[in-house]
Parts: sequence; C-alpha cells; structure tokens
Amino acid sequence: GNSVTQMEGPVTLSEEAFLTINCTYTATGYPSLFWYVQYPGEGLQLLLKATKADDKGSNKGFEATYRKETTSFHLEKGSVQVSDSAVYFCALTSSSNTGKLIFGQGTTLQVKP
Amino acid sequence: NAGVTQTPKFRVLKTGQSMTLLCAQDMNHEYMYWYRQDPGMGLRLIHYSVGEGTTAKGEVPDGYNVSRLKKQNFLLGLESAAPSQTSVYFCASSLGQRNTEAFFGQGTRLTVV
Repeated sequence: GNSVTQMEGPVTLSEEAFLTINCTYTATGYPSLFWYVQYPGEGLQLLLKATKADDKGSNKGFEATYRKETTSFHLEKGSVQVSDSAVYFCALTSSSNTGKLIFGQGTTLQVKP
Repeated sequence: NAGVTQTPKFRVLKTGQSMTLLCAQDMNHEYMYWYRQDPGMGLRLIHYSVGEGTTAKGEVPDGYNVSRLKKQNFLLGLESAAPSQTSVYFCASSLGQRNTEAFFGQGTRLTVV
C-alpha cells in the first residue's frame, strides 16, 4: 500500500542555519506530494505541493522537488527563522480522486535564536 | 474567513461515555475527512465523505461513527469511549481531487480517562 516515511525528529537548529527534512514515499500510480506545517496550537496548513515528477514546490523560502527516481520529496530552506519552529508533515494523495491524505510521522523543528 | 471549524476544542470523557464532535465548513467542499493525530504516527484517516449523505471508512474506523446530513457539516461520534481513543482529532475538507489542498480545523483534544 501507499506510505510516507519522514526523518526522525526533533530537529534543533540555530537561526539562519540550512534545513533539510527527508521524506520518501511508496505509492502506486502517480501520487501528488505535499508538505503541511502545524504551528503550535493550530491545525495543519499547506506549505507547498508538487503534482508530477520533477515539479518543484516552493513557498515562504521552503522548497521541495518531486523525485520519482528516488521516490523522495525532501524539504529544504536556506536560512531558517525562529518563526519556522513547527511540526512538518510530508503527505501524499493517491491517484484516486478522493483527496485522502497519507501522512508521514511528522518532524518537529525547533529554531533557536 | 471561518474555513473549517471544529467544536469542542477540548474534552475529557470517562471510559464508556459517548460524545459527538462537530465539524463545519463554509467553502462548499464536497469532500470532508476526520483524522486522528497520535505522537510518532502522523495523522491517520478515520472516516471520510464524498458528499452529502455519504460516508466511507478510512484507515482506523473502529469505535467511531460518522454522519453527513448536510453538505457543510460532518459529525464524528464515539459511542463508548475507550482510553485508546485519547488523541487529537482533526477535521478537513477539500475539493477531493488528488492535487488539491485540504483545509484543516484547529483540532479537538480528547482525553478518555
């Protein structure tokens, strides 16, 4: 079946450091890939997405590229800020048009001043 | 901009009690979902609905029931709460296509003692 695996957290970085959160997936067909972010005490919100191979999603300085050959969708940011502290979820939807999301375990990011 | 609204935000139940969680969306979305979030496990789909009057099981449906009597509302019921149902519950809605964004409520933190 479909599944998503994220790197274990928590990840602790200093402000302005480079961020990578690894995400790999297993899926049949042509999934769409997403990164959602959950700030403390809030629900999830979409950070970025990519819907086909080699697409790059980007938003708020974050980027991720849909790599079909390595079944990966790693999240990167060149310079993190304290305000980026949150839980990050990698997710996919399958080829069926129901919009059901399959999530990774989530990675907690803490950025220190 | 209400988006997706969940009530209540917090609840403590005793084992065996029942309760209903309410989700309301104002975006005219056909598809609605209930997820539970547990530490180290990401979010898992409980039940979902592809339109008014329809419901379907997700990954972890046991112990829960749902109803979608109106397009804008999706109710999640626990008939006889168990400690294993202690979790944070999120409702979401979307257009249902594989490449579209899901919108999440702020969550309900449920503790069963």
